[in-house]
Amino acid sequence: AQKVTQAQTEISVVEKEDVTLDCVYETRDTTYYLFWYKQPPSGELVFLIRRNSFDEQNEISGRYSWNFQKSTSSFNFTITASQVVDSAVYFCALPEKRDSNYQLIWGAGTKLIIKP
Amino acid sequence: NAGVTQTPKFRILKIGQSMTLQCAQDMNHNYMYWYRQDPGMGLKLIYYSVGAGITDKGEVPNGYNVSRSTTEDFPLRLELAAPSQTSVYFCASSTEFYNEQFFGPGTRLTVL
Repeated sequence: AQKVTQAQTEISVVEKEDVTLDCVYETRDTTYYLFWYKQPPSGELVFLIRRNSFDEQNEISGRYSWNFQKSTSSFNFTITASQVVDSAVYFCALPEKRDSNYQLIWGAGTKLIIKP
Repeated sequence: NAGVTQTPKFRILKIGQSMTLQCAQDMNHNYMYWYRQDPGMGLKLIYYSVGAGITDKGEVPNGYNVSRSTTEDFPLRLELAAPSQTSVYFCASSTEFYNEQFFGPGTRLTVL
């Protein structure tokens, strides 16, 4: 079965530090997608990125960057020059389709605390 | 566009009571999902639908039922509420399964 592991339960850093959130996945598929979502303290879920397994290029969006490495089955997320507003729980997720059955497999999440 | 809306925002139920959590989307998405999120955990899929009239079980369907009579609406029914169903429930929708899911604000349910 597919699996997503976010081993870091909680990370606490001081504002302006860089921080990397790890995501390790297991899949039997040769083609797949990976997602990152953010859940701020207000509770809503916000989409951050979708990555196709064909594309191993790093993705950068402002202070956010993602490093996708198929060789190590990892899809890590880095925040550069962190800000207090980055405090949230971050989830990595992996879609799974078996016959006609769909699942989105979620990691347990990493709680990121940015201290002023 | 309102996106994905959920009602109610909060609810307290007594053991054995039933209720329906409402979910609607105005984006004409075919795929809709119900998740539950227990404290400190990721999301678990309860039921999903790939279009009007078609629903299927997710990872944790026991104690719940769904229907999808229209593209817009995807209500979740809890029968005989139990304390184990205390959770935050999220509804989501997407154009395709592998695309971004748009989430509603969630319903916080407590069963006492």
